[in-house]
Amino acid sequence: ETGVTQSPTHLIKTRGQQVTLRCSSQSGHNTVSWYQQALGQGPQFIFQYYREEENGRGNFPPRFSGLQFPNYSSELNVNALELDDSALYLCASSNTGATEAFFGQGTRLTVV
Amino acid sequence: SQQGEEDPQALSIQEGENATMNCSYKTSINNLQWYRQNSGRGLVHLILIRSNEREKHSGRLRVTLDTSKKSSSLLITASRAADTASYFCATDGWDNFNKFYFGSGTKLNVKP
Repeated sequence: ETGVTQSPTHLIKTRGQQVTLRCSSQSGHNTVSWYQQALGQGPQFIFQYYREEENGRGNFPPRFSGLQFPNYSSELNVNALELDDSALYLCASSNTGATEAFFGQGTRLTVV
Repeated sequence: SQQGEEDPQALSIQEGENATMNCSYKTSINNLQWYRQNSGRGLVHLILIRSNEREKHSGRLRVTLDTSKKSSSLLITASRAADTASYFCATDGWDNFNKFYFGSGTKLNVKP
């Protein structure tokens, strides 16, 4: 167990809807990164939050947004869901200067 | 893109045999890490190798890094059925520290 928890585990949404995914980082970690993993592919970096500020973003449109809270937990919000947003969403927590990131078990999002 | 690519895409071996997976990447890196993923769930960190290191060992795992060829290999010795999983390499660079780029993975099947 990595100490990184994600909720919910599974989610089914309709195209056009909005979704919020949650991640609790490992105790003592101040950085959370989000990744999208489509079926059969490797994870792709969405964005990273450090001390409540976005600290880098991958090639994802603005309808993907996030938040980090003072306790370093984080949310990933996706607006106007598209069928291609169906994927496993992973969050990873790490600490400043650390090279290793610990991943949660992911949220499986299905858009129908 | 800095994304790593694993080779082969799939590997099937008998229990007790060694498994070797390769990873290539495109730009200079800070660290290279290997992760395991069981059944599309969370990623488990296996081993990290820094750009100034050439080889690391951890239990039955051996990782090599050749920065001149921009490649790494992961060797699992005396494989077990429980090693059946997908294996990913992930890189980060000095300008995107702790923001990982993953390859598409090697799917390892260890037959009992």
